[in-house]
Amino acid sequence: AQTVTQSQPEMSVQEAETVTLSCTYDTSESDYYLFWYKQPPSRQMILVIRQEAYKQQNATENRFSVNFQKAAKSFSLKISDSQLGDAAMYFCAYRPSYGNKLVFGAGTILRVKS
Amino acid sequence: DGGITQSPKYLFRKEGQNVTLSCEQNLNHDAMYWYRQDPGQGLRLIYYSQIVNDFQKGDIAEGYSVSREKKESFPLTVTSAQKNPTAFYLCASRRSGTSDSYEQYFGPGTRLTVT
Repeated sequence: AQTVTQSQPEMSVQEAETVTLSCTYDTSESDYYLFWYKQPPSRQMILVIRQEAYKQQNATENRFSVNFQKAAKSFSLKISDSQLGDAAMYFCAYRPSYGNKLVFGAGTILRVKS
Repeated sequence: DGGITQSPKYLFRKEGQNVTLSCEQNLNHDAMYWYRQDPGQGLRLIYYSQIVNDFQKGDIAEGYSVSREKKESFPLTVTSAQKNPTAFYLCASRRSGTSDSYEQYFGPGTRLTVT
């Protein structure tokens, strides 16, 4: 069974600084998708960024980028120039290419200090 | 505006009562999902449906039931058989058969409290 592990229950970052959230996963599949979702205090789940496993280039969305290491099964999220609005719970998730189910990690709470 | 609605936002029930959580989407998505979220845990899949009149159990289906009579609606019933029903419930949907098929969109959630 596929599993997703987020080893950091909580992280803190100073406003305008950079922070990296860790995620590792376990799968025997070669083709799959990886996601980072953000859940702010409103509890609305918002897609931050996604990565297709067949793409070697790391995905980037404005201040958010990933470091995808397929061999190591690692998928970390880097947030640059952190803002107060980035404070949220962040979930890493995995889905095989031909599957329907998302498998989520336990989440990392990110606190942003002003 | 297209999106997913879940109602109500907060729901309170007495133990032993069945309760139905609503999920409606106007995104014309084929697939719909129900997740449960507990403190300190990620989202766990309860049920999902890929097409109308068809649905499959997820990882924690015991004590729950669903129906999919219309494409836009996927209600979840929490039965009295669910031992720990108090949780936050999230509904999601996904379009299939297109290049965006891999992204799930989420509703705002329903907080269910059973006492």
